[in-house]
Amino acid sequence: KAGVTQTPRYLIKTRGQQVTLSCSPISGHRSVSWYQQTPGQGLQFLFEYFSETQRNKGNFPGRFSGRQFSNSRSEMNVSTLELGDSALYLCASRQTGGNTEAFFGQGTRLTVV
Amino acid sequence: DQQVKQNSPSLSVQEGRISILNCDYTNSMFDYFLWYKKYPAEGPTFLISISSIKDKNEDGRFTVFLNKSAKHLSLHIVPSQPGDSAVYFCAASDGNKLVFGAGTILRVKS
Repeated sequence: KAGVTQTPRYLIKTRGQQVTLSCSPISGHRSVSWYQQTPGQGLQFLFEYFSETQRNKGNFPGRFSGRQFSNSRSEMNVSTLELGDSALYLCASRQTGGNTEAFFGQGTRLTVV
Repeated sequence: DQQVKQNSPSLSVQEGRISILNCDYTNSMFDYFLWYKKYPAEGPTFLISISSIKDKNEDGRFTVFLNKSAKHLSLHIVPSQPGDSAVYFCAASDGNKLVFGAGTILRVKS
């Protein structure tokens, strides 16, 4: 069974630009969550999608948005990039949204210059 | 508002000894707890979990203990091996959202 796939692995963008990251969950998993990891900040929760609906949202500005498609693939978009958006963005999939373990992709390393 | 806290940013342990990683939580609605291990440039990998109806769960060298009254959980690794050197995250779920701590860097010295 293929794991969680995130593309691209690395990305360099300029301040003010926008970026779209992609995540393909494990087959059969309907929940996809996005996290931002910066040094010393752990994994900050961005949002979770379940069956194409955003079910939970973290404390991030509206510049961060996402969506989920009918095949459970998810995209995350960040508009008007700031230097502080430089981070590792991780996607995690779960079979359902309940008390089950989440499986992570390798992440997308975004650098904003 | 940090609902899941890992107060030790780092821990150094000698190979063969026990590693104890700690985690505290504040939300009493959390009823499922997990530990993840992360190497640089990789996504976190699931290690072990525990439901709030239990106070201990073992898997090989890894044991997780849960003290609900203290809202505290810990991960014991015995014996510690150099390959265990990584960042360890604890996470808690209320059946909905999964919340992570800031992580603890474990270094196992040979």
